[in-house]
Amino acid sequence: QSVLTQPPSASGTPGQRVTISCSGSSSNIGSNTVNWYQQLPGTAPKLLIYSNDQRPSGVPDRFSGSKSGTSASLAISGLQSEDEADYYCAAWDDSLNGYYVFGTGTKVTVL
Amino acid sequence: QVQLQESGPGLVRPSGTLSLTCAVSGGSISSHNWWSFVRQPPGKGLEWIGEIYHSGITNYSPSLKSRVTISVDKSKNQFSMKLSSVTAADTAVYYCARASTAHTSSWLDYWGQGTLVTVSS
Repeated sequence: QSVLTQPPSASGTPGQRVTISCSGSSSNIGSNTVNWYQQLPGTAPKLLIYSNDQRPSGVPDRFSGSKSGTSASLAISGLQSEDEADYYCAAWDDSLNGYYVFGTGTKVTVL
Repeated sequence: QVQLQESGPGLVRPSGTLSLTCAVSGGSISSHNWWSFVRQPPGKGLEWIGEIYHSGITNYSPSLKSRVTISVDKSKNQFSMKLSSVTAADTAVYYCARASTAHTSSWLDYWGQGTLVTVSS
């Protein structure tokens, strides 16, 4: 089971701002950077944010990430219908010789 | 543009071994990257399985470490995974992915399309 906790769902109307939280511990988020992945229905995950707040080329600046202590957040501003997807945070965990861990996932619905 | 493609049997018998290969194109498996496997049971979240560097160094998920082996074949520009003693709980879509790193950060920037593996008799 995941050690990174996310809310199961989030929603908003087009144009609104939606925020997703990711709660971890000192051995993962507290010690390492956070990445975010977007998974559209029936497709492979896609890197959305890396190193806490960096956007890969091609990712709209509507998506932003932040980290504070043992928690991280993903914000989607100007929500669009195509943003309806599952979102996962992820980070390295330094315990047990080190391993990569994903969050529990958040389903974003555009109302 | 790096591309990854998983291949392997779609059906594995319980107690058997699940074997998958990930072919890398558009880039060298000997580049400064790690190569990973991730799985996703139907309707559930993502689970990291493990990774390998071209030198053969591996890291595995603690929950799967006793059953998984990841290897690399530089001559074929591909890497592979074997998961032993499978049960129905190992039924999932299996993805391979490339991990890029910078300083102490690591992220999965290229993914394969995924392949569904069902464990059933």
